[in-house]
Amino acid sequence: QKEVEQDPGPLSVPEGAIVSLNCTYSNSAFQYFMWYRQYSRKGPELLMYTYSSGNKEDGRFTAQVDKSSKYISLFIRDSQPSDSATYLCAMSAWSYKLSFGAGTTVTVRA
Amino acid sequence: DTAVSQTPKYLVTQMGNDKSIKCEQNLGHDTMYWYKQDSKKFLKIMFSYNNKELIINETVPNRFSPKSPDKAHLNLHINSLELGDSAVYFCASSQGGQSSNQPQHFGDGTRLSIL
Repeated sequence: QKEVEQDPGPLSVPEGAIVSLNCTYSNSAFQYFMWYRQYSRKGPELLMYTYSSGNKEDGRFTAQVDKSSKYISLFIRDSQPSDSATYLCAMSAWSYKLSFGAGTTVTVRA
Repeated sequence: DTAVSQTPKYLVTQMGNDKSIKCEQNLGHDTMYWYKQDSKKFLKIMFSYNNKELIINETVPNRFSPKSPDKAHLNLHINSLELGDSAVYFCASSQGGQSSNQPQHFGDGTRLSIL
């Protein structure tokens, strides 16, 4: 079993829909949680960075962390074709060694 | 200005050759990383340096040797390239020491293809 599980999709939604992404993990020591966006032939770009449980909102993006369930989510409201990318969850415990999910490929249809 | 830059962007070479990939960051970060991303997009850490000191060395064949001449540069040399080395290699950097947990910033990758 992988340390971080993420459904690779692909996920296809119409423009304006809410995109819902999630990851589960097994290591209870994880306390730093990140979401990265990766466009084709580009490097991962940090979208959201949260510590411990709770919600964080930034524009159209909302990240949620539920440490009791070992489950994190990313919601994208009013999705745009420019949101089409692969979304990677990542997490770490006390050090900066990140464990990544496999990434979910999202397509927003115009 | 590109924050984390890697060269070359593409590298096509034959099995058995030796090649190097270079990485530079202009963010003033203390820590740099090498990751390998396979065909299924799975990112896995290979090495990390903090202020030129090796701090993460995952289970990687010893054909891979990182070198950090200063804290702004981290290079990766690969000897005797094998077909399985074909992947995208990403360099990343972050600020602070081992327990700082600052987010990592990535370059755009080097696409290595072994013929």
